[in-house]
Order: sequence, then structure tokens, then C-alpha cells
Amino acid sequence: KNQVEQSPQSLIILEGKNCTLQCNYTVSPFSNLRWYKQDTGRGPVSLTIMTFSENTKSNGRYTATLDADTKQSSLHITASQLSDSASYICVVLGESNDYKLSFGAGTTVTVRA
Amino acid sequence: DTAVSQTPKYLVTQMGNDKSIKCEQNLGHDTMYWYKQDSKKFLKIMFSYNNKELIINETVPNRFSPKSPDKAHLNLHINSLELGDSAVYFCASSLGQGAYTEAFFGQGTRLTVV
Repeated sequence: KNQVEQSPQSLIILEGKNCTLQCNYTVSPFSNLRWYKQDTGRGPVSLTIMTFSENTKSNGRYTATLDADTKQSSLHITASQLSDSASYICVVLGESNDYKLSFGAGTTVTVRA
Repeated sequence: DTAVSQTPKYLVTQMGNDKSIKCEQNLGHDTMYWYKQDSKKFLKIMFSYNNKELIINETVPNRFSPKSPDKAHLNLHINSLELGDSAVYFCASSLGQGAYTEAFFGQGTRLTVV
């Protein structure tokens, strides 16, 4: 069973609307949690990195939240744009010296005009 | 200007062939990685190199052999290709392996074995 689960698998929203993506993880002990954006045919690009002591972090219209007690994170996209259409991947790094990232399967977001 | 570049972007080959994927980064990073993204979209680490030395080898079949001629390059050679090797392979690099180190990914190489 994968240690990082994301929901929904995909969603479609209208341009200008908001949406929230969910991530649950079981990686323990925990170091940090990242959200990546992956455009079709491209590699993932980092949006945010949060440690266990951080509850929220923003990057423009993207806001990530983290509850380390319940091992849940969310990514909120505000006022969506067509360019937000992509896969959003939740990634967790456990506490170790080998930088092994655990990836979720991603949520595919489609923004329609 | 590309930070992490991989070649080729697409690769279609027959079973049993040997092929290589090249990766170069111009960020001055000392750690490089190979990831495999399967049909279910999960990215899984295969190898990581730090200053040309192998750090992580995630029980990848020995048909896969990474080669790092210098810290800016990490190539992936695959022998005797099998249908199950079909996937998208991503190269990445980072400045060290600290917990908050950012990893930068290439655009991926879509390998199709027929």
C-alpha cells in the first residue's frame, strides 16, 4: 500500500473557481511534505515545502495546509486559471539521510473556460 | 537555459534491445537521481548519485545501470529491454541531500518497449 494517498483522482472546474485537493500519508517519522505541479509531458515542479511545525504555506494562488497530527494535507487553488490544468502531486520525505521521497499518484485538475 | 535536460524525450524500441537515456544538469548540483513513473502515475526512485558516487539503488534489476561521468551528468543504460520497462523516466538533481533540498526534474523520457 502506497504511503501517500491523494483524492480526488481527478476533477474538472470552471475558470475562476476554487478547488481543494487532499493528501493523506502514513510516512513516519516525518520530515516534510511537498506539493508539486506536473504539466502534461513535463517534469514535476515544486510549489511548496512544509515541515511538521508549519500549518500553512502559500505560493501565489496556491495554499497548502498541513495537519501533522492527522497526517493530512490539502492544496487549495484560488481563482483557477486555464494554466492550472495539470497533475498535482503530494510528496512526503521521511526522516532519514537518504532523501527518499514518497510520491502520491496525483490529482489531475482540468480547468475549463 | 534548461536546468535539467534529458534525451531523448521519446524512445520506442523492441524487446531485447539495449538503450541509453542521457541526463545533464547545469545547476551546479552535486546530487542526481533517476525516477520511474509507471502507468499509475506513481514516481519511484531508482538511483541517486552524489558527486559521482552511488547513494541509492532501490532494488532495480541489474539490467539498469546508471553511469555518472561527472557530477553534471547521470546517464541510464538499460540492457535487454522488457515490456514492463515501458514507463516515463525522470532525471532530477538537487544541491545535496538535506531534508529541505529542492529537487529539480527534467521533462521526462517516455520509453515504449514493443
